[in-house]
Amino acid sequence: GESVGLHLPTLSVQEGDNSIINCAYSNSASDYFIWYKQESGKGPQFIIDIRSNMDKRQGQRVTVLLNKTVKHLSLQIAATQPGDSAVYFCAENQGTYKYIFGTGTRLKVLA
Amino acid sequence: SAVISQKPSRDICQRGTSLTIQCQVDSQVTMMFWYRQQPGQSLTLIATANQGSEATYESGFVIDKFPISRPNLTFSTLTVSNMSPEDSSIYLCSVEISGGHYNEQFFGPGTRLTVL
Repeated sequence: GESVGLHLPTLSVQEGDNSIINCAYSNSASDYFIWYKQESGKGPQFIIDIRSNMDKRQGQRVTVLLNKTVKHLSLQIAATQPGDSAVYFCAENQGTYKYIFGTGTRLKVLA
Repeated sequence: SAVISQKPSRDICQRGTSLTIQCQVDSQVTMMFWYRQQPGQSLTLIATANQGSEATYESGFVIDKFPISRPNLTFSTLTVSNMSPEDSSIYLCSVEISGGHYNEQFFGPGTRLTVL
């Protein structure tokens, strides 16, 4: 089916390698961040979050790093699998209901 | 978490017509949101829909073009009115679930709209 993110930056990673997806956020007042994964034909799915009082948070095979000095967020995926192929979005929250989404990165896992 | 469904999942419409998209949640939620995701783009918030009050629209979106209903705590509709090819997008419904100090947003599967 048709995919979202046809013109998004693409990261190609060999299966089994680690992936690092980066995101620059806009507002230094943002205090909560989420990484979403969006597979073709589906809505965004929550992966992991981090609060601004943390630098690092680990989940299962995923780690999020936050650098508030340069307003940078990264998502690290260990031992990348074919099922990780998707578009990944970061989202920032400024203490309200409103989330601002980044432009997204397409991850392609090569067999 | 929340289970969210949307109808239709996709549609192809003619210019000048309108389409109403339905969003159903499996639990009662206060805040529901409608996003647009144009081809190759990220998500843009259209409006916030609270039960019992008028929707709040973001800059660049107006009620005449995107009327929203929120008749109860588990359901909302978004209408895309007088459609043009530029309205071809994925339209996503999301809900906010309280997670303590920070509230998570969960998304429906989206409605893929093509306007000819």
